[in-house]
Amino acid sequence: DVKVTQSSRYLVKRTGEKVFLECVQDMDHENMFWYRQDPGLGLRLIYFSYDVKMKEKGDIPEGYSVSREKKERFSLILESASTNQTSMYLCASRGQPLNTEAFFGQGTRLTVV
Amino acid sequence: SQQGEEDPQALSIQEGENATMNCSYKTSINNLQWYRQNSGRGLVHLILIRSNEREKHSGRLRVTLDTSKKSSSLLITASRAADTASYFCATDHSNYQLIWGAGTKLIIKP
Repeated sequence: DVKVTQSSRYLVKRTGEKVFLECVQDMDHENMFWYRQDPGLGLRLIYFSYDVKMKEKGDIPEGYSVSREKKERFSLILESASTNQTSMYLCASRGQPLNTEAFFGQGTRLTVV
Repeated sequence: SQQGEEDPQALSIQEGENATMNCSYKTSINNLQWYRQNSGRGLVHLILIRSNEREKHSGRLRVTLDTSKKSSSLLITASRAADTASYFCATDHSNYQLIWGAGTKLIIKP
């Protein structure tokens, strides 16, 4: 069974903390994505990566960075967490060719206090 | 950038009835996909329809695509309580991204 696994389902962090969200996929997919989901706004792309060590900004990259040192792992970093980053974070992966489905992790609900 | 728009935003029906959700988009696509999200969880892929297809079926799901109107619909027949979820359409373009709508929240009443 194919799998995308996010390291935490729930996280509570303090304002100003550096936060790491980890995502691992076991499908040997080239493409990985980080989204945030807020009520009424759908999924908004933060960053994506199409290969190891490659990254591209999505629609809302401000306040975030990413790391992809290995093909199976894509990390989202909140350099200095703020309350407006309280959200559901979703990791996804897609294989090649690109016109295929995306596989999602179970989501991480992050609360910044 | 958000392209897909789902309609309605919320839908409440009796178990056994059919549920129809619509999705509209703005620019040409390679394919359009529908996903389901149970409360507080990740998204699960339901069905993909390519731009040269007009209709596709998968079990109780039927998806149509009208590229001239830039719209798609998802029909769930004989709904069950387990169908209660949010449903999202995503449009696939010639780059890496899927572009997502805001979703339709479906509630099936017993």
